[in-house]
Amino acid sequence: DTGVSQDPRHKITKRGQNVTFRCDPISEHNRLYWYRQTLGQGPEFLTYFQNEAQLEKSRLLSDRFSAERPKGSFSTLEIQRTEQGDSAMYLCASSTGGGTSGNTIYFGEGSWLTVV
Amino acid sequence: AQKVTQAQTEISVVEKEDVTLDCVYETRDTTYYLFWYKQPPSGELVFLIRRNSFDEQNEISGRYSWNFQKSTSSFNFTITASQVVDSAVYFCALSEAWGGAQKLVFGQGTRLTINP
Repeated sequence: DTGVSQDPRHKITKRGQNVTFRCDPISEHNRLYWYRQTLGQGPEFLTYFQNEAQLEKSRLLSDRFSAERPKGSFSTLEIQRTEQGDSAMYLCASSTGGGTSGNTIYFGEGSWLTVV
Repeated sequence: AQKVTQAQTEISVVEKEDVTLDCVYETRDTTYYLFWYKQPPSGELVFLIRRNSFDEQNEISGRYSWNFQKSTSSFNFTITASQVVDSAVYFCALSEAWGGAQKLVFGQGTRLTINP
């Protein structure tokens, strides 16, 4: 059973460029989450998918951010016109869904973004 | 609003000592879940435990144990006979139930260093 995988693991980009991160969840998981973690802080929720539907977006997710999960499998998170404040680790996670709040969420290793 | 507080920013102990990581939470929900995750330098958040609000039994898993006390809104984590491999950042998290989905609210983390 493979875990959640993310690509790339590290990305350095110039301010104003667009970047895209990919996440492959655990195969039988229908829920997929994106979190952002800055240095010295705990992860913060960004957005959530159930299958291909994006059901919730945090206020942290500005208009420059867009996430997709086109076939209910892998997901992409794109950041347009990156800013230095976007520098963070972007964590993807997945879980099964069952209408409860107690399903264990499994995280990937994260994608580090540095905007210079 | 839900909140998780990990007052200990950093802890440093010598190998084989016991160490307790504190977690205090705030929520208005009567049904909620609490989690602990370990984040080694690689960045991946490793799931350790999930506890629901109706189950106040303490749990032991090898050298790890958890003490859940609803009366004080605490969910503390103890490592017995610590080892160097336990060095990591540990996060406590609270599951916020929302429309059948769940969002994790994390504390700021406790950086644990086990010295040989």
